[in-house]
This record gives sequence, C-alpha cells and structure tokens, in this order.
Amino acid sequence: ETGVTQSPTHLIKTRGQQVTLRCSSQSGHNTVSWYQQALGQGPQFIFQYYREEENGRGNFPPRFSGLQFPNYSSELNVNALELDDSALYLCASTGQIEETQYFGPGTRLLVL
Amino acid sequence: AQSVTQPDIHITVSEGASLELRCNYSYGATPYLFWYVQSPGQGLQLLLKYFSGDTLVQGIKGFEAEFKRSQSSFNLRKPSVHWSDAAEYFCAVAARGTDKLIFGTGTRLQVFP
Repeated sequence: ETGVTQSPTHLIKTRGQQVTLRCSSQSGHNTVSWYQQALGQGPQFIFQYYREEENGRGNFPPRFSGLQFPNYSSELNVNALELDDSALYLCASTGQIEETQYFGPGTRLLVL
Repeated sequence: AQSVTQPDIHITVSEGASLELRCNYSYGATPYLFWYVQSPGQGLQLLLKYFSGDTLVQGIKGFEAEFKRSQSSFNLRKPSVHWSDAAEYFCAVAARGTDKLIFGTGTRLQVFP
C-alpha cells in the first residue's frame, strides 16, 4: 500500500504567477483534502474533493482552485500569487469507510 | 465558532521525563479528536484518534490521550519521552461524520538529553 505523495517538494515563484501542485492519494482512497500551513501555524483547510467534485471549501479566495482526476489524484492551482501564499501545502486522503486523513509530505512554496 | 486551543507554544523536557500536551476545543457537539505529529520539514503523522467509546485512547510511539467531555479537553501524554519525540504536535477536531480538520496552532516539543 503506497502512501500519499506530493510533487514538487519545493517551489519558488514570483508574485502574480500561477502554480500547480500535485497529489496522489493513498491506494484505495477516493477523497483528497488540501491544507495550507503558514510558518509557525497549524494547517488551514482549503478544500476537499470527493469523486472529482468539490466537497467543501474553507475560507480561501477563488484564485485557489482544484481538480480531482478519475484515479483520485488531485491538483491545487493558485492564480495571481501573493507573498502571503508562501507556505507548506499539505494534501491528505481519506478512505471510503473511515474518517481519518493521512497526509503527504507537503510542497513548500515560496513566493518572492 | 469551532476552534482548537493548544495553550503551550513550546515545551522542553528531559529525556525520560513524562510529558503532557494540552488541547482544548470549542465545538457545538463532541467532535472527532486527533493528535498529529510533524517532524521538521515533514508532513503530518497520525498519533491517535478518538471517535467514541473508551475515553483513554492508545496511539503509536507509546502516546496516549484522554478525552474529558466536562473540560472539552483531549490532552496527550507519554510516560517517558525519548529524544526522537522532539517535533511539533498538533491537536485537531472534525465534526462527526466528516473528515475536514480544524487544527490548533501546535506545541513544539524540545527534548534535552
């Protein structure tokens, strides 16, 4: 059984650019959630995808968007990057019969 | 509003000493409760969780946590800390029947030899 994987591990962008982060869910998991963890803070829920549909969203602007693919992998897209978007972005997946999230190692984004 | 409070930002203990990390939550009903650990530059690893039943929950790495409804608390404990336990610890809650987590701000644990 493979765990949650994320790519890339690190990324540097400049303000105003766009970025795409990728996540492969744990084998057998059909739900993917994304979190933003700013330095020194706890993770904040961005949104969740279940069977390719958005299934809940946190307090993030529309320039944060996502996709889920038929194989349950997912992308997080952020447009018009701002300096405050610098953070560790965590992906987590959940199985069908449990309500526990399992996290990937994260993508560290730096916006200059 | 739902929230999780971890009152201790930073805790330092000696190796072999006991440990208790505090967590209080504010929620309309008893939520699901979790403790996660994060090593520097890493993702989150689940230590333990409480959904229902016995209020004393055993987790991995020798950790346990006790749910106290009257105090809205879910404190994490370990009888004897190892140097490898140095990390950031996060308490989290989720509404029953969901898996969307609300996290506390974390407690950084430092272990001295």
